[in-house]
Amino acid sequence: QLQLQESGPGLVKPSETLSLTCTVSGGSISTSGYYWGWIRLPPGKGLEWIGSFYYSGSTYYNPSLKSRVSISVDSSKNQFSLKLSSVTAADTAVYYCARHSGAVAGSMGAFDIWGQGTMVTVSS
Amino acid sequence: EIVLTQSPGTLSLSPGERATLSCRASQSVPSSYLAWYQQKPGQALRLLIHGASSRATGIPDRFSGSGSGTDFTLTISRLEPEDFAVYYCQQYGSLYTFGQGTKLEIK
Repeated sequence: QLQLQESGPGLVKPSETLSLTCTVSGGSISTSGYYWGWIRLPPGKGLEWIGSFYYSGSTYYNPSLKSRVSISVDSSKNQFSLKLSSVTAADTAVYYCARHSGAVAGSMGAFDIWGQGTMVTVSS
Repeated sequence: EIVLTQSPGTLSLSPGERATLSCRASQSVPSSYLAWYQQKPGQALRLLIHGASSRATGIPDRFSGSGSGTDFTLTISRLEPEDFAVYYCQQYGSLYTFGQGTKLEIK
């Protein structure tokens, strides 16, 4: 059974870089046809897509975050990572990693498998 | 960007009743690429519906989705105790955006 687990610091200082890792078990990140992504849920707000990637190296970012976001993959460890630079209190959120359900025409698909999420607070 | 507005914000119903949740898009969702998710405290989000009306693997048939264009609905025909949760809609036809969520609570 495919499972995803987020990990990383729960507290980040303003202006620093938030770094999180998603570890995938029960399946391979390199499975053909599947994309993987990051989503966040700020307190009191709705879910926000951060970005996604394909194991071959293609990345796709939310335009509103693109200048600060980087997603990378370590296929040997079956992990992928998120870096968000120059964070502010507005970046405080629960961060989720998830798998897209399979590419359909013009889209990477919905998200069919999610991690449980990890809370990250931006505060000095 | 396609903005999704969910209503109501909170829905109070009793087990056995029918729940109707709405998701309205600011512009037409391409190819009806609209999904619904369920979230319970401390648990991973669960995909319920994709393509506006297709149930995901393992989802009971009391959950159904309908709609096209800008108006979509999630219906739970007879509420079970485990159905009380927060529900989100998401469109994946033009980048990826989510609604604010509807909390389904026990009356």
